Amino acid sequence: DIQMTQSPSSLSASVGDRVTITCRASQGINNYLVWFQQKPGKAPKSLIYAASSLQSGVPSKFSGSGSGTDFSLTISNLQPEDFATYYCQQYSSYPLTFGGGTKVEIK
Amino acid sequence: EVQLVESGGDLVQPGGSLRLSCAASGFSFSNYWMTWVRQAPGKGLEWVATLNRDGSEKHYVDSVKGRFTISRDNAKKSVYLQMNSLRAEDTAVYYCVRGMAFEYWGQGSLVTVSS
Repeated sequence: DIQMTQSPSSLSASVGDRVTITCRASQGINNYLVWFQQKPGKAPKSLIYAASSLQSGVPSKFSGSGSGTDFSLTISNLQPEDFATYYCQQYSSYPLTFGGGTKVEIK
Repeated sequence: EVQLVESGGDLVQPGGSLRLSCAASGFSFSNYWMTWVRQAPGKGLEWVATLNRDGSEKHYVDSVKGRFTISRDNAKKSVYLQMNSLRAEDTAVYYCVRGMAFEYWGQGSLVTVSS
C-alpha cells in the first residue's frame, strides 16, 4: 500500500499569510494526487487534481506542485474562509490512500 | 449542477446490515467511476470502495472485503453500498464521490454501529 505523509499536521497562520503544506508518497505516484479542503461538519471539497490542476471554480490562490513522491499545496493571501483541514490523496493505485490531514488555524 | 445525495444511514447493532444509496443528478452518471469514502468521528478520510462505469470492476479497502458490496444502477443514476456484518469500527459518515479524481462529494450519511 502507498502511504501518504502530510506535514505539518497543524499550523497557525495569520490572515494574509502564504502557507505551504507538503505531502510525501511512500513510492512514486506520477502526478496522481488530489488536494481537498474540509471545514467542520462539511463534506470535503476538491481543490487540485493531477497534482497541479485547479478544479473548476477554485480560486487561483490555491496552487499545487510536485511529481513522483513529493508534492505541495500552497495557499496565498490566507483569508478567514481558508481556515480548514486539508488532505492529500493518491489515486495511482489501489488501495487509494489519504494523508492524515493538515489543520490550518488562525494565529 | 452536479448533485450527489446519500441516504440510508442509521443506528444499527453490531453484526447487522445496512444499505446506503446515493442518487446522482446534473451529469451523465454512466460516464463516471463512483466511490464511497468514510470518515469516523473526529478522524481523517478513508477510501472504502470504487466501482467502474458499468459495474464490472470493483475495488475495496481490505477492512471491508467480504462484508461490503458496491453496486450501481445507471438507469436510476444511483450507486449503493451494501454493508453486512457491521462492526463498531465501521461507525462513520459515508460519502458518495464522483470520478477518479474525486471531483464532487455528497453531503454524507451517518452510520452508527452500536448496541
